[in-house]
Amino acid sequence: GQNIDQPTEMTATEGAIVQINCTYQTSGFNGLFWYQQHAGEAPTFLSYNVLDGLEEKGRFSSFLSRSKGYSYLLLKELQMKDSASYLCAVSSAGNMLTFGGGTRLMVKP
Amino acid sequence: GAGVSQSPSNKVTEKGKDVELRCDPISGHTALYWYRQSLGQGLEFLIYFQGNSAPDKSGLPSDRFSAERTGGSVSTLTIQRTQQEDSAVYLCASNLMGNEQFFGPGTRLTVL
Repeated sequence: GQNIDQPTEMTATEGAIVQINCTYQTSGFNGLFWYQQHAGEAPTFLSYNVLDGLEEKGRFSSFLSRSKGYSYLLLKELQMKDSASYLCAVSSAGNMLTFGGGTRLMVKP
Repeated sequence: GAGVSQSPSNKVTEKGKDVELRCDPISGHTALYWYRQSLGQGLEFLIYFQGNSAPDKSGLPSDRFSAERTGGSVSTLTIQRTQQEDSAVYLCASNLMGNEQFFGPGTRLTVL
């Protein structure tokens, strides 16, 4: 079966750094995606990791450890507009994605 | 270029009626996916089309749900005899093999 866990909610302060963790147990692994979803909108792609290590893209970075079944999304210099849900998703056989329940991030002034 | 489009954006129906939701994927994308998202929840996979292969229907919650993809492009998700628990946002996504999925804006279905 597929199991992806991430915290339900997190709160952080504007200008700070926040790390959103994701652990997974899946049959097959072709990569891990992070998506951002603002309330009432469609998810938008943030990052993709298939090899172990850190991928940096501006204020956002994503880390993967395949041996531990673990990933995190790191958001630096938080802005109010970063308040959104962050979805961790694992690609397994057949190009399909299995999503976690999402982490709702609230950025406070 | 045009992204994934879905119609209608909102649909209110009465319990027991049938509904059809439409998805126009990005031109050239061979794969198309349907997901369901209940309020405050993650995305639940429903069905996946890849090229001319038989679709993966493993996520459909009951036989009241069906989907087709005509000509390898437009897809229609049909829910027969709708129930209140079918109320959710139905999201469509498309991609080329192995790349990130691009999502449409969704159809918000409300079953009264």
